[in-house]
Amino acid sequence: NAGVMQNPRHLVRRRGQEARLRCSPMKGHSHVYWYRQLPEEGLKFMVYLQKENIIDESGMPKERFSAEFPKEGPSILRIQQVVRGDSAAYFCASSPLGQYEQYFGPGTRLTVT
Amino acid sequence: KQEVTQIPAALSVPEGENLVLNCSFTDSAIYNLQWFRQDPGKGLTSLLLIQSSQREQTSGRLNASLDKSSGRSTLYIAASQPGDSATYLCAVFMYSGGGADGLTFGKGTHLIIQP
Repeated sequence: NAGVMQNPRHLVRRRGQEARLRCSPMKGHSHVYWYRQLPEEGLKFMVYLQKENIIDESGMPKERFSAEFPKEGPSILRIQQVVRGDSAAYFCASSPLGQYEQYFGPGTRLTVT
Repeated sequence: KQEVTQIPAALSVPEGENLVLNCSFTDSAIYNLQWFRQDPGKGLTSLLLIQSSQREQTSGRLNASLDKSSGRSTLYIAASQPGDSATYLCAVFMYSGGGADGLTFGKGTHLIIQP
């Protein structure tokens, strides 16, 4: 059973460009969570999704950030018009329906130049 | 708002020692608590999960305890090895019913085991 997969592992974007981060949960998992780890800071919750449904986006910045988990395909975290402060490691986690042990992917390290 | 604190922030000990990492949280109404390991530039590896109704969990040389009423958890590592060097993260999960918040993490304990 493959673990949580994230791609790309490293992403470089210039200021003003868009960043799209993808996450494929573990097989059989229907919950997806996104977290951000800023340099020298702890991991912060961003958003919790189930298929075709955003359950909790209380940790998402109000502007430029969006997330989706379509019926088919991976979950996508989208950052529009990136700024230097968006440079961070973005982690995705998944858990099975009705259970809340979270399994993390390797992360995507975003660098904004 | 839930806050998680880990003490110490960093720890360096000789190989073979037993050690304890501490985690405290401000809101005791947690659903579960997880301990993770993070190696530099890598993702998180789940070490142990303790449900709110449990007092401890063990896996190999690791033992995690939970005192929910006092808002504390400890991770005990027996007979430490250089390969245990990593950052250890404590995280709590609050189930809010209508939805579910994500994990709230501490800032971690950076552990170095000297050969």
